[in-house]
Amino acid sequence: GAGVSQSPSNKVTEKGKDVELRCDPISGHTALYWYRQSLGQGLEFLIYFQGNSAPDKSGLPSDRFSAERTGGSVSTLTIQRTQQEDSAVYLCASSLASLTTGELFFGEGSRLTVL
Amino acid sequence: AQSVTQLGSHVSVSEGALVLLRCNYSSSVPPYLFWYVQYPNQGLQLLLKYTTGATLVKGINGFEAEFKKSETSFHLTKPSAHMSDAAEYFCAVSRYSGGGADGLTFGKGTHLIIQP
Repeated sequence: GAGVSQSPSNKVTEKGKDVELRCDPISGHTALYWYRQSLGQGLEFLIYFQGNSAPDKSGLPSDRFSAERTGGSVSTLTIQRTQQEDSAVYLCASSLASLTTGELFFGEGSRLTVL
Repeated sequence: AQSVTQLGSHVSVSEGALVLLRCNYSSSVPPYLFWYVQYPNQGLQLLLKYTTGATLVKGINGFEAEFKKSETSFHLTKPSAHMSDAAEYFCAVSRYSGGGADGLTFGKGTHLIIQP
């Protein structure tokens, strides 16, 4: 597609439910990143994929969070047994190969509200 | 680990006035530095970046930033603010340090308010 696509754009769920957030990166971008944006906290790095592998999962806040990427394209971020503190905007970004000199292209985010 | 600090969560300037958004970084390796802008309900968009070479970099919408190694700073400036510049601005540093890490570490953001 023309840009990074994320779905759903908004998700309201009850505490304890599982949620899945989807990211479709720009075609041909091998690197994919998930970030969490909370009010006043900036962007928090969650996980990075190069192709289908995730060499850096260091940002995942707990074992309730997991992510996968299949076919070197679409990625899914799963949050199990959601808590109120998980409420945030989850941003996905992609880039050609590695980031070091390139640019991250961001989607518009998935806003998660846990009641 | 690399980190950035943005001074001022909110900055207010008058239309036509100088915009100065401050960013200081900490990095164990020569840094790659970025400024992104986020308009309401949108994703982030790259304004400019510094990797190597010229320390004064120019970006979109008339913004520029200067890499000062001695001050560990990468402040963002624009000579004359426009109402359309009202947005959230994020400074970021590359997480890459020769290992498996990649991506960016972002500051907490500065909300730029333009007064008419």
